[in-house]
Amino acid sequence: QQQVKQSPQSLIVQKGGISIINCAYENTAFDYFPWYQQFPGKGPALLIAIRPDVSEKKEGRFTISFNKSAKQFSLHIMDSQPGDSATYFCAATKGGYSTLTFGKGTMLLVSP
Amino acid sequence: DTGVSQDPRHKITKRGQNVTFRCDPISEHNRLYWYRQTLGQGPEFLTYFQNEAQLEKSRLLSDRFSAERPKGSFSTLEIQRTEQGDSAMYLCASSLGTSVGDTQYFGPGTRLTVL
Repeated sequence: QQQVKQSPQSLIVQKGGISIINCAYENTAFDYFPWYQQFPGKGPALLIAIRPDVSEKKEGRFTISFNKSAKQFSLHIMDSQPGDSATYFCAATKGGYSTLTFGKGTMLLVSP
Repeated sequence: DTGVSQDPRHKITKRGQNVTFRCDPISEHNRLYWYRQTLGQGPEFLTYFQNEAQLEKSRLLSDRFSAERPKGSFSTLEIQRTEQGDSAMYLCASSLGTSVGDTQYFGPGTRLTVL
């Protein structure tokens, strides 16, 4: 049973464009939603995270939009750069600091 | 930078052999997690420790897998009688474990190939 569904599987965006990755979850007990960025040969690194009591969180070029009623959340990368080319994972936890349930990942390629 | 470290980074073994991986968390972190990541998939939770206590184990963690965290410091993950299906990246993460939504910091992983 996949508790966090992520789309698209891969994404190609022109430099300067907006990258959008979507996730949907099933378990209403989830209460913390982080996004991780992973480069080849490296472990995932936290990018940005949101709690369900807010609908949007922005940090620099990265924004999370959260729709609690639809059980969906998305990552927007503004002014995408070639250095943003990586695999992005959405995740969810319940009980705040418990184990992470990850989506399957989105491989982003930002073309120069 | 004293992040999470893992050793070895790569391990190639023959089916049926035992392997052991080590994880050194960030020094003040109480929680330590093990995840497994296969190609094209997100990391999947295996087990986690609060200090030296193993608090949760996934159903993915068969009887051939065992993890320890003696004295609440480093952790080891052992796989006995390895199978080809065990080939994956094994990731370790640590966190303070003191607040809601505290960040899990991941190590670079150990890539296991079972021939």
